[in-house]
Amino acid sequence: DTEVTQTPKHLVMGMTNKKSLKCEQHMGHRAMYWYKQKAKKPPELMFVYSYEKLSINESVPSRFSPECPNSSLLNLHLHALQPEDSALYLCASSQGTSEDTQYFGPGTRLTVL
Amino acid sequence: AQSVTQLDSQVPVFEEAPVELRCNYSSSVSVYLFWYVQYPNQGLQLLLKYLSGSTLVKGINGFEAEFNKSQTSFHLRKPSVHISDTAEYFCAVRGTSYGKLTFGQGTILTVHP
Repeated sequence: DTEVTQTPKHLVMGMTNKKSLKCEQHMGHRAMYWYKQKAKKPPELMFVYSYEKLSINESVPSRFSPECPNSSLLNLHLHALQPEDSALYLCASSQGTSEDTQYFGPGTRLTVL
Repeated sequence: AQSVTQLDSQVPVFEEAPVELRCNYSSSVSVYLFWYVQYPNQGLQLLLKYLSGSTLVKGINGFEAEFNKSQTSFHLRKPSVHISDTAEYFCAVRGTSYGKLTFGQGTILTVHP
């Protein structure tokens, strides 16, 4: 099973709202990732969690706040977003070993009004 | 650091024709190479990967790719495409000792009847 699930599938929020994106995997993977993908562009890495600890933050604005409650779950908390933050947000997971492969979820399509 | 160049942004092809999507990479260290496919409004699905061993790698949906170290290329091929292969294809590279994936800009494959 190489499934990563993400909820919700679509999200529309105002600039003053607070919302969260959720990601779950049951493959026993120890690394989890958040990516942002704008239209007609490749995914851009935002955060990496390794063994439930934040290991990479690609200089992402503080209005995006990641959280890894346990090894299977990854959240992305959103607050005071801007319209330019509208994008497809992808979660991925991998074993966390040197030869590991990242497996992606279906994404959450976020629209900020 | 690594970089990836996908030489064609769009590739139109007729159904049952062969196709090659070109990918070149640059790296000062040994790398692992990946091809992902993204169907409209979906996440990324792993097509195939090269970690070590045979330079000809077979993946899902009849795709294959050949790693050429001297030419720093990892071109994706399929001998006969279907309408359902219409999607965006991303080549990605990762250093063997570091987990960050670097993506190319993507190639949109459009299969016409």
